[in-house]
Amino acid sequence: AQSVSQHNHHVILSEAASLELGCNYSYGGTVNLFWYVQYPGQHLQLLLKYFSGDPLVKGIKGFEAEFIKSKFAFNLRKPSVQWSDTAEYFCAVKSGAGSYQLTFGKGTKLSVIP
Amino acid sequence: KAGVTQTPRYLIKTRGQQVTLSCSPISGHRSVSWYQQTPGQGLQFLFEYFSETQRNKGNFPGRFSGRQFSNSRSEMNVSTLELGDSALYLCASSLVAEGQFFGPGTRLTVL
Repeated sequence: AQSVSQHNHHVILSEAASLELGCNYSYGGTVNLFWYVQYPGQHLQLLLKYFSGDPLVKGIKGFEAEFIKSKFAFNLRKPSVQWSDTAEYFCAVKSGAGSYQLTFGKGTKLSVIP
Repeated sequence: KAGVTQTPRYLIKTRGQQVTLSCSPISGHRSVSWYQQTPGQGLQFLFEYFSETQRNKGNFPGRFSGRQFSNSRSEMNVSTLELGDSALYLCASSLVAEGQFFGPGTRLTVL
């Protein structure tokens, strides 16, 4: 079965610090990759997605992610975080064609200190 | 476009009862998936419906069931509720190459 692991459970950063959140998945075939964000009291929002092509993808709010196929990795980055980025971040993988089933990582809670 | 909507937003039930949750997808989306979110297990896939047919099912007991109507709206039913069913139930709709878009969820508390 497909599995997704996120390296950090809780990350604490000061404003303007750079962010990198790691995500690894287990499936060896074709995958679609996603990062979602859940702000306090809000629902899951799609930050960015990778289907094919350029392994560096840009999303909303200044986030980007790099797909490293050889390492089964899809790492999220932001050069300079803001207090408003405080949220929980989830990596998700869809394997194969057809049915839309996402396998999620356990999430990384990001706290940004002003 | 309006987002995914879920009703009700909050529910309190007692053990042994059953519950029905409703989801209206984004207009034009024919795929609807359901997930359970708990602090311990995270987000877990329940099932997916496409054009009124269940296309995939996660590893949940048969007490969890769903259906999809011709207008793509979906319902999820949990029978014989257990304390462990307390969770946030999320509905998501999607188009093939766009990713899944989630609703706000229904918070179910089983007493």
